[in-house]
Amino acid sequence: GENVEQHPSTLSVQEGDSAVIKCTYSDSASNYFPWYKQELGKRPQLIIDIRSNVGEKKDQRIAVTLNKTAKHFSLHITETQPEDSAVYFCAASTSGSRLTFGEGTQLTVNP
Amino acid sequence: KAGVTQTPRYLIKTRGQQVTLSCSPISGHRSVSWYQQTPGQGLQFLFEYFSETQRNKGNFPGRFSGRQFSNSRSEMNVSTLELGDSALYLCASSWGTSGVGEQFFGPGTRLTVL
Repeated sequence: GENVEQHPSTLSVQEGDSAVIKCTYSDSASNYFPWYKQELGKRPQLIIDIRSNVGEKKDQRIAVTLNKTAKHFSLHITETQPEDSAVYFCAASTSGSRLTFGEGTQLTVNP
Repeated sequence: KAGVTQTPRYLIKTRGQQVTLSCSPISGHRSVSWYQQTPGQGLQFLFEYFSETQRNKGNFPGRFSGRQFSNSRSEMNVSTLELGDSALYLCASSWGTSGVGEQFFGPGTRLTVL
């Protein structure tokens, strides 16, 4: 089955800096790659997603890139703010309904 | 539009008991997926129901089961509870048609097994 690896497990940045989280997947049939943000005690919330027919997608300060050949995708957050502090999960899916998640990255943005 | 809701929010059970968790999807969504979240194993897929049929299943033992009703509400049941079943159980709903689509998560049910 699908296996998703996520790095780093923890990331600490200064406010205003950029943050990058990377994920690799194993199943070349995967075609949907969402990123979720989970604040402490809250539900995971989708922040951006990308499909396999697109190489890059951007939404304000957040961008995701996908390299199908290398089977990896990355989340980029620019101009980080303290409210960006949370756990971020990447995921991959071949069917849309079954998401395989990475282990999560605890992002801390220091004021 | 109301979001995904889950009941109860918290449960405490003892080993050997069984438990039923409920999930109400966003109106119009026909797919409901269940996930188990633990500090050690992360987020793991349990199963997905679409139009009252199990469409996908993860690698969990048969003690974990589910069902979906005609109004798309879903329940999951865990029988013969073990200490390791303590976790946050999240459900997520989506339209479920035309391939991939965004999944919206509920707040989760925190299950503690003593």
